[in-house]
Amino acid sequence: DQQVKQNSPSLSVQEGRISILNCDYTNSMFDYFLWYKKYPAEGPTFLISISSIKDKNEDGRFTVFLNKSAKHLSLHIVPSQPGDSAVYFCAARGGGGSNYKLTFGKGTLLTVNP
Amino acid sequence: DAGVIQSPRHEVTEMGQEVTLRCKPISGHDYLFWYRQTMMRGLELLIYFNNNVPIDDSGMPEDRFSAKMPNASFSTLKIQPSEPRDSAVYFCASSPLSVRETQYFGPGTRLLVL
Repeated sequence: DQQVKQNSPSLSVQEGRISILNCDYTNSMFDYFLWYKKYPAEGPTFLISISSIKDKNEDGRFTVFLNKSAKHLSLHIVPSQPGDSAVYFCAARGGGGSNYKLTFGKGTLLTVNP
Repeated sequence: DAGVIQSPRHEVTEMGQEVTLRCKPISGHDYLFWYRQTMMRGLELLIYFNNNVPIDDSGMPEDRFSAKMPNASFSTLKIQPSEPRDSAVYFCASSPLSVRETQYFGPGTRLLVL
């Protein structure tokens, strides 16, 4: 049973436009959410996170929104750049088990076209 | 700092053989995690250590898998005997206690079991 779901396997946007990546979760005990970016042949790298007590966190071109009632979070990238092309993973921490365990979604491949 | 180091980067072996994957975490990090990434299941946590002690191994698929952390700078993940379904990318990650939400991933070991 997937507790963290990224329903869009891929997304394609034009350079300069907004990219919106979505993530849904089922476990209401998750207390922290993270986004990771992964390039081919590399490990995932941390991008941005948000605590479950907040609804928005912004870092430069990246903003994460959390809607707890809907158990939904999204990552906005504005403006999108070709270098943003990568696989983006949504992850959630906790969930009633170990506090340090991260549960990952399967990822969304973002392609930003010049 | 060098980041998380994994070796080998690629491993091709035959079914039934023993496979040992190695990881050197970032110096000073208290937590070490082993993950497996497959197309079907995405990125899954196998086991994690705190101060060299295994804390949660509930993700280890079966007895053929074992992990050790003999000291703060080295960990191994062993598969014996290996099977074709073990083919995946295996990531090691480490995290400092002070920023426990963030895990720093190594480049991964791509394992192919024939």
